[in-house]
Amino acid sequence: EVQLVESGGGLVQPGGSLRLSCAASGFTFRTYEMNWVRQAPGKGLDWVAYITRSGDNIYYAASVKGRFTISRDNTKNLLYLQMNSLRAEDTALYYCTRGSGNDEDNYFDPWGQGTLVTVSS
Amino acid sequence: QSVLTQPPSVSAAPGQKVTISCSGSSSNIGNNYVSWYQQFPGTAPKLLIYDNNKRPSGIPDRFSGSRSATSATLGITGLQTGDEADYYCGTWDNSLSTWVFGGGTKLTVL
Repeated sequence: EVQLVESGGGLVQPGGSLRLSCAASGFTFRTYEMNWVRQAPGKGLDWVAYITRSGDNIYYAASVKGRFTISRDNTKNLLYLQMNSLRAEDTALYYCTRGSGNDEDNYFDPWGQGTLVTVSS
Repeated sequence: QSVLTQPPSVSAAPGQKVTISCSGSSSNIGNNYVSWYQQFPGTAPKLLIYDNNKRPSGIPDRFSGSRSATSATLGITGLQTGDEADYYCGTWDNSLSTWVFGGGTKLTVL
């Protein structure tokens, strides 16, 4: 069974840092691109970052560029999101989600259960 | 303000058909595949439609997708109360070099 399990969320003060992890299982992790998508309480989906299979190509949402870093360890089947200079507006449930696995299209399937990040003093 | 525009809510009676629109531009929907996601309260989103009109395994054929020019549409026939959820469209935007989602549409089955 394909599974994505996020961890690392919690309460952090504005300006602080947090590193999220996503453990992948049930598929060949190194053959799929990966994404982070977040959802603020009561709001819609907000894409955060994308990383290619080898990690050689990365894209970020404008709102997190320069503050967040997506990375992966294909030997450990792990995806990461290093979040620095956190702001109150970064408060959200952060989902790890798998890409399509090919270069012709892109979509998100499946999704993890999410890990909650709360930025507050 | 989302790059892709969806109606905030739609409603229809059980057994009826409903469509949810997703309007974009040539930099996103006009030149890239659209996917649709279903999200029930308190749960993670689930892929419903990919590549404009393809259904993943396990998604009933009551759900359909289409794309025309810079707009996409999700159709749901034979509405059931269990279809009440939030629905999101999404695609890549070539100008922004980011993925973009619609603001989401809440479906109510009256």
